[in-house]
Amino acid sequence: KAGVTQTPRYLIKTRGQQVTLSCSPISGHRSVSWYQQTPGQGLQFLFEYFSETQRNKGNFPGRFSGRQFSNSRSEMNVSTLELGDSALYLCASSPDSGRTNNEQFFGPGTRLTVL
Amino acid sequence: GDSVTQMEGPVTLSEEAFLTINCTYTATGYPSLFWYVQYPGEGLQLLLKATKADDKGSNKGFEATYRKETTSFHLEKGSVQVSDSAVYFCALTAGGTSYGKLTFGQGTILTVHP
Repeated sequence: KAGVTQTPRYLIKTRGQQVTLSCSPISGHRSVSWYQQTPGQGLQFLFEYFSETQRNKGNFPGRFSGRQFSNSRSEMNVSTLELGDSALYLCASSPDSGRTNNEQFFGPGTRLTVL
Repeated sequence: GDSVTQMEGPVTLSEEAFLTINCTYTATGYPSLFWYVQYPGEGLQLLLKATKADDKGSNKGFEATYRKETTSFHLEKGSVQVSDSAVYFCALTAGGTSYGKLTFGQGTILTVHP
């Protein structure tokens, strides 16, 4: 089975722009979670989608949004980019049998640099 | 809220040394506990997990036991190799409506020298 894929792998934007990141989960996985990783804050949960619905959300401003499509692929969008949004954005998928203790499988991440 | 605390790093060891990385947690209910590893330039890989008290997770020579009385999940390996050099993250997922959310510790950088 192919793993979680994320595109693009690297991205450079300038302040004020917006960006869209894409994530394709493992085939058959219906839950997709997004995380932001920075040296200062570590790994922080952004949100989780299941069957095209956001079920959980972390403590991030409304500039961060996401969606999930019927094939479970997910995108996240960051509008009005700030320098502090520079980070590695990780996507993870899970089969989600309804339990919250399912293992998550991570993609390689998208490295976003905001200039 | 839920939180995970890992021992301060970085940790530097010689090959074949014994490894311990401490992890303690705070959570409501009965969380599941995980250790993830991140190699340079890559995403996170699950190393091991435990879903209830006294469970022992193990993989590739690494072990960790879910200790509810001490709220701990320390990672151990009897003999480390250079290839174990990476960043290790302890994490938990709580029950209830905490869908899809892993709460991570700050990570511990491990460097193993030949």
